[in-house]
Amino acid sequence: RKEVEQDPGPFNVPEGATVAFNCTYSNSASQSFFWYRQDCRKEPKLLMSVYSSGNEDGRFTAQLNRASQYISLLIRDSKLSDSATYLCVVNIGDTGRRALTFGSGTRLQVQP
Amino acid sequence: NAGVTQTPKFQVLKTGQSMTLQCAQDMNHNSMYWYRQDPGMGLRLIYYSASEGTTDKGEVPNGYNVSRLNKREFSLRLESAAPSQTSVYFCASRDRDTGYETQYFGPGTRLLVL
Repeated sequence: RKEVEQDPGPFNVPEGATVAFNCTYSNSASQSFFWYRQDCRKEPKLLMSVYSSGNEDGRFTAQLNRASQYISLLIRDSKLSDSATYLCVVNIGDTGRRALTFGSGTRLQVQP
Repeated sequence: NAGVTQTPKFQVLKTGQSMTLQCAQDMNHNSMYWYRQDPGMGLRLIYYSASEGTTDKGEVPNGYNVSRLNKREFSLRLESAAPSQTSVYFCASRDRDTGYETQYFGPGTRLLVL
């Protein structure tokens, strides 16, 4: 079983639509959670951190459910520029390496 | 402020050849990382360096070596390249000093081993 699992998609949605991605993680000791965005043939970039109370950044809302070990990302009013792969990322938090564990990503294609 | 830079951008190797991937960051970060990204696999950690002078294995270290030359630079060496090492390699550094755990990635090196 993968440590971080995501539906690979693609999710094809029209401009203006609302779309939601879910992600599950297997390690209950995970401490930090993030969504990264990766454009085609580019490096991943942090989209937003995910806090226990949920958080919003403009059109983007992230939620964390520790009991069920899943994370979600909601994108409202989709723009063409939102087309990308969205990576669910977890930090187990061992003080040594603080490395990130990545899901394989969910591809979003917003269509005109 | 260039962030994280990587060289080369692209490389084609024959099986058995060696090469070094270079990475440098100008953000004064202590921690640096090397990942590889393969289709459908997500990014996987090869090696990391928590601080200058220290390195440790990640999830997939076999076939690789690293050097943390100084605080800025962290290189990845393939001693004898194999087709299974065809991948996109990303270097990253972490901002720990402000309490954030964001990792900043370089633009990647695309490696093809024939």
